[in-house]
Amino acid sequence: SQQGEEDPQALSIQEGENATMNCSYKTSINNLQWYRQNSGRGLVHLILIRSNEREKHSGRLRVTLDTSKKSSSLLITASRAADTASYFCAPVFGNEKLTFGTGTRLTIIP
Amino acid sequence: NAGVTQTPKFQVLKTGQSMTLQCAQDMNHNSMYWYRQDPGMGLRLIYYSASEGTTDKGEVPNGYNVSRLNKREFSLRLESAAPSQTSVYFCASSGLSKSYEQYFGPGTRLTVT
Repeated sequence: SQQGEEDPQALSIQEGENATMNCSYKTSINNLQWYRQNSGRGLVHLILIRSNEREKHSGRLRVTLDTSKKSSSLLITASRAADTASYFCAPVFGNEKLTFGTGTRLTIIP
Repeated sequence: NAGVTQTPKFQVLKTGQSMTLQCAQDMNHNSMYWYRQDPGMGLRLIYYSASEGTTDKGEVPNGYNVSRLNKREFSLRLESAAPSQTSVYFCASSGLSKSYEQYFGPGTRLTVT
């Protein structure tokens, strides 16, 4: 399967702490995208990192990509209750279709 | 801009009934997708359409048909619903760039009894 695999499956942290989740994949990618899904809602695109980039920032989000290890990480700094959601990585392998893993379920404890 | 809209939001069917899930986007996107999401699982691609007039099977196409009516609309039809098709269905679209960033609708929660 070409889908990304997120780790851990679930993560609970105190509000204000940083949250880190990881994604691994198996073959060369065009780019890798991270999405958030709030309970009962559709996915929302968060950030895209291209295969020739190593790090990217967007607000409180920081994404890294290590193509030699075929892995990516998403860091959310200074977490808030509203960050409670499931997070999915989606490697793009050049054929346009995204494939999604089972996600990391993040719970922020107030 | 409404983005991606889906109707209905909820639906209950009896086994063997048929129905069509509607999806429309107002972003002038070429590509559109149908996914299903089962509890505790990621999204699985049912069908996609790279452009108006073309459709292709995804990972789990059995039991479904699709129609790309025009550039805006992409419908998913269940001809004879089965309990295994109980799921949340998401439509998505992606635009002209090669990054394939997708925009998702709010989903249709379907229960087949």
